[in-house]
Parts: sequence; C-alpha cells; structure tokens
Amino acid sequence: KAGVTQTPRYLIKTRGQQVTLSCSPISGHRSVSWYQQTPGQGLQFLFEYFSETQRNKGNFPGRFSGRQFSNSRSEMNVSTLELGDSALYLCASSLRASYNEQFFGPGTRLTVL
Amino acid sequence: EDKVVQSPLSLVVHEGDTVTLNCSYEVTNFRSLLWYKQEKKAPTFLFMLTSSGIEKKSGRLSSILDKKELFSILNITATQTGDSAIYLCAVGGDSGTYKYIFGTGTRLKVLA
Repeated sequence: KAGVTQTPRYLIKTRGQQVTLSCSPISGHRSVSWYQQTPGQGLQFLFEYFSETQRNKGNFPGRFSGRQFSNSRSEMNVSTLELGDSALYLCASSLRASYNEQFFGPGTRLTVL
Repeated sequence: EDKVVQSPLSLVVHEGDTVTLNCSYEVTNFRSLLWYKQEKKAPTFLFMLTSSGIEKKSGRLSSILDKKELFSILNITATQTGDSAIYLCAVGGDSGTYKYIFGTGTRLKVLA
C-alpha cells in the first residue's frame, strides 16, 4: 500500500508570495491533517479535513487555509508569506477523523526569503 | 492550557542499554496518546494508547499509559544505533476542537 505523498518536497519563495502544498493520503484514508514543524515550536497542528470538510483548526492566522477534494487529496495554501513561515509542513492521513493512528508524509520544506 | 511535556530532552546511551522516555500531559478530555519516531523527515507511527495499564509492545519497544497520573512511558531495550532518533509524543484531547498536541520530543543518540 502506497504511503502518504506530498508535493513539492522543497520550495523557495519570497516574502509576500503565496504557496500551495499538496498531500495525497493513503488509499482508503479519508482524514488529512496538516502540521507545521519548526525547530523552536516543534510540531503544531494547522487543521484537519474529513470528507471535504474542515473539521478542526489550530491557532494559525487566516493566511493559512486548506481544502480537501472528493478523492481525499488535500491542499494547503499560505498567502502573503512571511519569513517566519519557513518550516517543514507535514500532512498526516488517517482512516477516520479524530484520534486515530496518523501516518505522516515526507513533508514539504518551505523556505521564505 | 493544554500541554505535553517530554523528558529527558536528550539522551546519549551505548548499544545494549535500556532507555525509558517519559511523556506527561495536561489535556482537556483526553482521547488518545501516540508515540512517533522521527529520524530525518516524516515521523513514523509507533503506538497508540487509549487505556491505562495495557502495555503495547513491538519488538524491543514497549509503551504504557497511566491516565490517573497523566503520563506515558516508552521503553526501548537492547538499544541499537538505528534507534537514534527524536521520539515524539502526541496527545489528543477534545476541548471543543479535536487536535493532537505534540511534545517537543526526546532526542536519543545510541553510540556503538
């Protein structure tokens, strides 16, 4: 069974630009969660999507948004990039929503210059 | 405020040693606790714990949860250099919003 895939793996942007990251969950998994990982803050929850609906959202500004498609693939968008948005963005898929085993993708390393 | 604290922050041991990693939490309406191993990029799922006192075991790794004292431990016996990684603990709680809160991790280095 293929694992979680994320594209692109690496991205370099400049301040003010916007970026879209993509995540394809494990086949059959319907829940996708997004996390931001930085050396100082560790792993922080961004949001979770299940059946094309945002179920939960972490404490991030409105510049961070996402969506999920009918095939469970999810995208995350960050607008008006700031230097502090440089991080590893991880997505995790699980069979069902909430409190289930989560399987992580390899992440997208975003660098904002 | 919900929080997850892992200890120690880092640990250096020699091959063959046994290590115990700790995860304590204060989370509203606890639902589950997960352990992950992170070597380079993506965290790899190890265990999911929901009930107190029931040990989960996988090879040389084992974990147990104490919901009364609000902590979990991850044991690794007969450590190998391949066990070198950051071990993350995540706790799921329902304070009106579902989310997993991650600890900052324990960095384990196993020397040959």
